Amino acid sequence: KAGVTQTPRYLIKTRGQQVTLSCSPISGHRSVSWYQQTPGQGLQFLFEYFSETQRNKGNFPGRFSGRQFSNSRSEMNVSTLELGDSALYLCASSSIAGVNNEQFFGPGTRLTVL
Amino acid sequence: TQLLEQSPQFLSIQEGENLTVYCNSSSVFSSLQWYRQEPGEGPVLLVTVVTGGEVKKLKRLTFQFGDARKDSSLHITAAQPGDTGLYLCAGAEHAGNNRKLIWGLGTSLAVNP
Repeated sequence: KAGVTQTPRYLIKTRGQQVTLSCSPISGHRSVSWYQQTPGQGLQFLFEYFSETQRNKGNFPGRFSGRQFSNSRSEMNVSTLELGDSALYLCASSSIAGVNNEQFFGPGTRLTVL
Repeated sequence: TQLLEQSPQFLSIQEGENLTVYCNSSSVFSSLQWYRQEPGEGPVLLVTVVTGGEVKKLKRLTFQFGDARKDSSLHITAAQPGDTGLYLCAGAEHAGNNRKLIWGLGTSLAVNP
């Protein structure tokens, strides 16, 4: 069974731009969660989608948004990028809803904002 | 907001040594998960502990959930270079219908040959 895939793996943007990251979960998994990881803050939960609906949301500004498609693939968008948005963005899939269930992570997208 | 404190933050040891890392909180979790993350990769789940006092073993790794379900420890026996990585703990909390994982900052382990 293929794992969670994320594209692109690396991205360099400048302040003010927007970015869209993509995540394909493990086949059959309907829950997708997004996290931001930085050395100082660790893993910060962004949001979780299940069956195209946002089920949980972390404490991030509205510049961070996401969506999930009918095939469970998910995208995350960050608008008006700031320097502090530089981070590793991780996507995790789970077979059922609720982020306390076993999470399978992708390799992440390394975003650098200049 | 619940916090999970992991200690130590960094650990550098020689191959063959034993070590223990800790994950502590002042709040109770319904379950706790341990993950290992290698550079350039996402975290990989090692174990989930659910019952207070539970002990689980995974080869040379021993995981324990505190009796009060507020803390956990990971003990590695005879560490090997392949154990190098960032060890993360995550506690599951329930608030009404809202369920989420609370993450620690991790323990960065380096095992030197």
